[in-house]
Amino acid sequence: ETGVTQTPRHLVMGMTNKKSLKCEQHLGHNAMYWYKQSAKKPLELMFVYSLEERVENNSVPSRFSPECPNSSHLFLHLHTLQPEDSALYLCASSQVRGRASTDTQYFGPGTRLTVL
Amino acid sequence: AQKITQTQPGMFVQEKEAVTLDCTYDTSDQSYGLFWYKQPSSGEMIFLIYQGSYDEQNATEGRYSLNFQKARKSANLVISASQLGDSAMYFCAMREGGLTGGGNKLTFGTGTQLKVEL
Repeated sequence: ETGVTQTPRHLVMGMTNKKSLKCEQHLGHNAMYWYKQSAKKPLELMFVYSLEERVENNSVPSRFSPECPNSSHLFLHLHTLQPEDSALYLCASSQVRGRASTDTQYFGPGTRLTVL
Repeated sequence: AQKITQTQPGMFVQEKEAVTLDCTYDTSDQSYGLFWYKQPSSGEMIFLIYQGSYDEQNATEGRYSLNFQKARKSANLVISASQLGDSAMYFCAMREGGLTGGGNKLTFGTGTQLKVEL
C-alpha cells in the first residue's frame, strides 16, 4: 500500500457509541494531522502529532481523543458525539525538516462520519 | 479577517480550455507557503502545487501553474488544457511559520467547485 490510508471510509454511530477512526501512512513521514471538513465550511485542523508527540490541539472538545502510538499510525477515538460532529474526517502526514520547510501535507481519503 | 479567500464558489470551463481559480491571502509573516489541493467527490485531498514566499519563479507542475503576485497577495491556480477529470473542488491553503514542536498548520479557503464541460 502507498500513501495515506484511512479506515473505515464510512461510519454511522449513535450518540452513545464509542468508535475509533484509524489512519496509516506509508510515506515514512514524521508528522500526522487530523482535520474536520463540515459542509460549507473550510477544513479545520484538529490535532497535530510530530515525532509521536501532540504539538497542537485546536480547541477540540474532549469527546474527540487522538492517539499516535508510532509515526505511522494515528487514531481518533470518538465517544458521546453530537449530530453536529457529522463530517468528513481527514488524516494527513508530512515530513518535517525545519520550521521553514515546504512540509507538504499528503491526505488520506477520509472517513465520512454520520452521528444519529 | 479571513486568511485565505476564494471568491469563486463555482466555475465552468470547456474541455481543452484554460481556467484560472482565484486565491488571495492575508499574512504578516515574511516566510510562508501556498498550496493548492484538488478534492474529487471521493473525498481525498490531492496535492497539486506549492509556492514558497521567497520563490522568485512561479511554480509549475505539468498542466498546473501558480500565478504568484506577492504584492497583491494573490496565488491563483491556472489549469491549462482542462480535462473532464479535472472536475472537482479546489482548495487554496497557506502555511505560516511552523509549530514549536514540529509540523505545520495549514489554513484553507472555502474552495471553488470546477466543472469541466464537453
